[in-house]
Amino acid sequence: EAAVTQSPRNKVTVTGGNVTLSCRQTNSHNYMYWYRQDTGHGLRLIHYSYGAGNLQIGDVPDGYKATRTTQEDFFLLLELASPSQTSLYFCASSDRGNTEVFFGKGTRLTVV
Amino acid sequence: AQSVTQPDARVTVSEGASLQLRCKYSSSGTPYLFWYVQYPRQGLQLLLKYYSGDPVVQGVNGFEAEFSKSNSSFHLRKASVHWSDSAVYFCVLSANSGTYQRFGTGTKLQVVP
Repeated sequence: EAAVTQSPRNKVTVTGGNVTLSCRQTNSHNYMYWYRQDTGHGLRLIHYSYGAGNLQIGDVPDGYKATRTTQEDFFLLLELASPSQTSLYFCASSDRGNTEVFFGKGTRLTVV
Repeated sequence: AQSVTQPDARVTVSEGASLQLRCKYSSSGTPYLFWYVQYPRQGLQLLLKYYSGDPVVQGVNGFEAEFSKSNSSFHLRKASVHWSDSAVYFCVLSANSGTYQRFGTGTKLQVVP
């Protein structure tokens, strides 16, 4: 079965702090995604990638950086965290941009 | 431009009753449509997908959806709901040439006794 693993599962940081969220997929998928989920907004795409070294901007990229180091690994970086970035973050992968997306279990980030 | 609208933020139905969750889409290309479900404190899972062909597609756990090009809709249905169907349901759109999928805001389904 397709697998997407996120770490950490929970994170608390202070305003202005640095945070890195990690994601690894073992599906041999080309596409990887970072979403944030907030009440009333559904899932919003932050960044995505269709291969190692590639990065594409999603719908809500401000305040976030991302890096795809290998086909398996995709990282989301918050360099100056703000309370508005308190959210539930999902990593996901898919074979192509219009095929089934497989999700991780999510990372709950709180910025205090 | 692509967009997905789920007009109902919350739906409450009685156990054993039928269900319809609404989804409207706007797409400049051929739409690929999905329904995902998110159970409490879990990630999202695919329920069903539509690419082309028969407008009624079957999914897991007795769910089905009907694609309507004329109405730009992709409503989700189930004949008889169970308490375990309580979850958040997302309608998702991708164009056939799309590089990623766009999610609706979700409908929270509560099944009551």
